[in-house]
Amino acid sequence: DAGITQSPRHKVTETGTPVTLRCHQTENHRYMYWYRQDPGHGLRLIHYSYGVKDTDKGEVSDGYSVSRSKTEDFLLTLESATSSQTSVYFCAISEWAVSEQYFGPGTRLTVT
Amino acid sequence: AQKVTQAQTEISVVEKEDVTLDCVYETRDTTYYLFWYKQPPSGELVFLIRRNSFDEQNEISGRYSWNFQKSTSSFNFTITASQVVDSAVYFCALSAGQSYDKVIFGPGTSLSVIP
Repeated sequence: DAGITQSPRHKVTETGTPVTLRCHQTENHRYMYWYRQDPGHGLRLIHYSYGVKDTDKGEVSDGYSVSRSKTEDFLLTLESATSSQTSVYFCAISEWAVSEQYFGPGTRLTVT
Repeated sequence: AQKVTQAQTEISVVEKEDVTLDCVYETRDTTYYLFWYKQPPSGELVFLIRRNSFDEQNEISGRYSWNFQKSTSSFNFTITASQVVDSAVYFCALSAGQSYDKVIFGPGTSLSVIP
């Protein structure tokens, strides 16, 4: 199994508070991704990174920011959480852009 | 614009039946990649297969087979002699053209295999 961990695995937070989710990999893969999974929508890309300090937006990036200061870590920040951001968040990694992706275990975030 | 459609939201079959999961994709690019992923009830996402647009050969892996047809823009997945362990949500995904680093996932098909 690819070495990908996500922390925290579960979080409950209040509307308006900042939240940071962490993805850590031990595979030294270049690409890292953040997705959210909601019923009926499958997986939707939030942001991705193609190298240290190189990031780009996905289809649902509003309200989210990311940072990648090291190859192994990719952080997703919700600056001011809203109830619409209640979701399961998955991190994924891939060696190249068109390679298969390997996913972390997911983080269940509830915004009350 | 790229799009992936999985028209079957939920499928239920009896164990040992064959089942086909449909995937229809849209892209104007001639170079693209298609993927299937499995998400069992435990929640993790598992890669199953990747196929590029230049390789239309069907692929078989044990009880799993994939039928790629560019003429109908489809990349269907068949499970032969289904088992309870095949119960999962299956996602088809597309990576295409200049947006190749932004994979588009379909909404998924939930498969239940009844013993």
